[in-house]
Amino acid sequence: KQEVTQIPAALSVPEGENLVLNCSFTDSAIYNLQWFRQDPGKGLTSLLLIQSSQREQTSGRLNASLDKSSGRSTLYIAASQPGDSATYLCAPEEAGNNRKLIWGLGTSLAVNP
Amino acid sequence: DTGVSQNPRHKITKRGQNVTFRCDPISEHNRLYWYRQTLGQGPEFLTYFQNEAQLEKSRLLSDRFSAERPKGSFSTLEIQRTEQGDSAMYLCASSSGPRRYFGPGTRLTVL
Repeated sequence: KQEVTQIPAALSVPEGENLVLNCSFTDSAIYNLQWFRQDPGKGLTSLLLIQSSQREQTSGRLNASLDKSSGRSTLYIAASQPGDSATYLCAPEEAGNNRKLIWGLGTSLAVNP
Repeated sequence: DTGVSQNPRHKITKRGQNVTFRCDPISEHNRLYWYRQTLGQGPEFLTYFQNEAQLEKSRLLSDRFSAERPKGSFSTLEIQRTEQGDSAMYLCASSSGPRRYFGPGTRLTVL
């Protein structure tokens, strides 16, 4: 059974720092892995999607890497801003007919001005 | 781009009442998903449609929960005889490929 762990659970940093959010998963048989952002009381926004054949994806100040064999993904946030404050969730997509996302508990990020 | 919409955004009901939520996916997305999320937890899978066919339903769901997607477009999620433990955010997502697009969610409070 796939299990997803995100470290740290919470992070509070001053504005401008470069950040590393970690995600590990137990079963390497995945189609892809997505990183989402969730603001309090809101839905989820897809940030980056890394296909299983890819190593990384970049969007603006965000970069996500994937090492499928070791069951790890990392989200890098460069030059953090207060607007980056949110919960970040990673979700590998299981290989199989119904393409189920398996979720971690997220990393709650606070970027202080 | 209208995105995924969900209605209502908030619902307060008394225990024992029935509630129904609606999800309108991005047009032409053939896959639609329902999730439930409680505070501090990741989303919990409820059910999945491909077009109008319900392909999977979580074993965690009791018989009080039912979902439909009658014409392969919008979907409804009904909870019968609500219980306080049903209080949560109910999220809908749609996709036509690997990327999921989520709606804003419906917050249910059962008193």
